[in-house]
Amino acid sequence: ELKVEQNPLFLSMQEGKNYTIYCNYSTTSDRLYWYRQDPGKSLESLFVLLSNGAVKQEGRLMASLDTKARLSTLHITAAVHDLSATYFCAVDASSGGGADGLTFGKGTHLIIQP
Amino acid sequence: DAGVTQSPTHLIKTRGQQVTLRCSPISGHKSVSWYQQVLGQGPQFIFQYYEKEERGRGNFPDRFSARQFPNYSSELNVNALLLGDSALYLCASSLLGSATEAFFGQGTRLTVV
Repeated sequence: ELKVEQNPLFLSMQEGKNYTIYCNYSTTSDRLYWYRQDPGKSLESLFVLLSNGAVKQEGRLMASLDTKARLSTLHITAAVHDLSATYFCAVDASSGGGADGLTFGKGTHLIIQP
Repeated sequence: DAGVTQSPTHLIKTRGQQVTLRCSPISGHKSVSWYQQVLGQGPQFIFQYYEKEERGRGNFPDRFSARQFPNYSSELNVNALLLGDSALYLCASSLLGSATEAFFGQGTRLTVV
């Protein structure tokens, strides 16, 4: 059974600081996704990482994937209040024409304080 | 361009009742997946449909069923509702199913009392 672990699960940080969220997964996969969820809202797609060594950046967020270590990171640079949300990583380990869906981590609840 | 649309947005049902949730995917997308998100947790995979056929099923009881129509819209049915079925039900649309990016609808908030 595929397991996806995020840490930390809760993060409170000050504006202007840098921090990294980690996502470990337990089986071979080269398809990893990061989503953002605001309270009471749906999931917004942030990054799609489809190969070992993939790195993508959007504004103050940067995501990377190391398939050998089964690790993805989401790095926040010079945090601003608007980035406060819950961040999920999700892994697609479907193979052989089957569909196992996305397996999500428990999410990292991020609060950025002035 | 319309995104993934789900209806209704909120629903209150009594234990033992049945419920049907609806989802329209992004135009041109042929795959729909359903997820259940309990408060404070990540979404859990329920079903994936592609070209009107079930391609995958998560670890949910037989009370949960779904189907996809020729226009690629989908319905999720839950019978004999339990209090534990209270959750946000999310529909995701993707072009081809697995290995293609999934875009989520706004969800249906189901409360079972």
